[in-house]
Amino acid sequence: AQKITQTQPGMFVQEKEAVTLDCTYDTSDQSYGLFWYKQPSSGEMIFLIYQGSYDEQNATEGRYSLNFQKARKSANLVISASQLGDSAMYFCGGGNNRLAFGKGNQVVVIP
Amino acid sequence: GAGVSQSPRYKVAKRGQDVALRCDPISGHVSLFWYQQALGQGPEFLTYFQNEAQLDKSGLPSDRFFAERPEGSVSTLKIQRTQQEDSAVYLCASSLVGRDTEAFFGQGTRLTVV
Repeated sequence: AQKITQTQPGMFVQEKEAVTLDCTYDTSDQSYGLFWYKQPSSGEMIFLIYQGSYDEQNATEGRYSLNFQKARKSANLVISASQLGDSAMYFCGGGNNRLAFGKGNQVVVIP
Repeated sequence: GAGVSQSPRYKVAKRGQDVALRCDPISGHVSLFWYQQALGQGPEFLTYFQNEAQLDKSGLPSDRFFAERPEGSVSTLKIQRTQQEDSAVYLCASSLVGRDTEAFFGQGTRLTVV
């Protein structure tokens, strides 16, 4: 089973700036996936990006990139060029079929 | 629609009442997950199906919680004798089989037990 830790307090980010959201994980699985989801105030969970534990390259999806450091068991999300619509809760998830999630990071983008 | 559909969106139950929450996954998705999300928290895993087989139910908090997916598509999460601590958003997600495929979530059912 996975344990996901997100401990940053809520943050304000200036529009067009980059923001990094921290995520560390603990697992005994040899093979696993790491995910980031966005949850706006409307409540739906929106998939952002995926990293496989055996992927050597960091995943990127548009303005989202995942800084994967396997030895440190971290999977930080970087959002570049923040937009007002990026204001939301962000959840790091990981596992092998059964996804565990952290407690989330609150991001507010200000103009 | 093409996404995961959950019903009802909102449910108010009196303490002690039984409730049933429905999830319609994306067509062709083999895996189906149920999560419970309390206010201000991340989703907590409840149970996982692969087709009609319930492969993991270790997250169900008590024997009052029961989930089924009899034909490998629609799933129902049933909570018997609801208690106030059951108040939460219940999220359903589906995915293609395999660890490297993302799960698509429904909009959730907000359950309030009064």
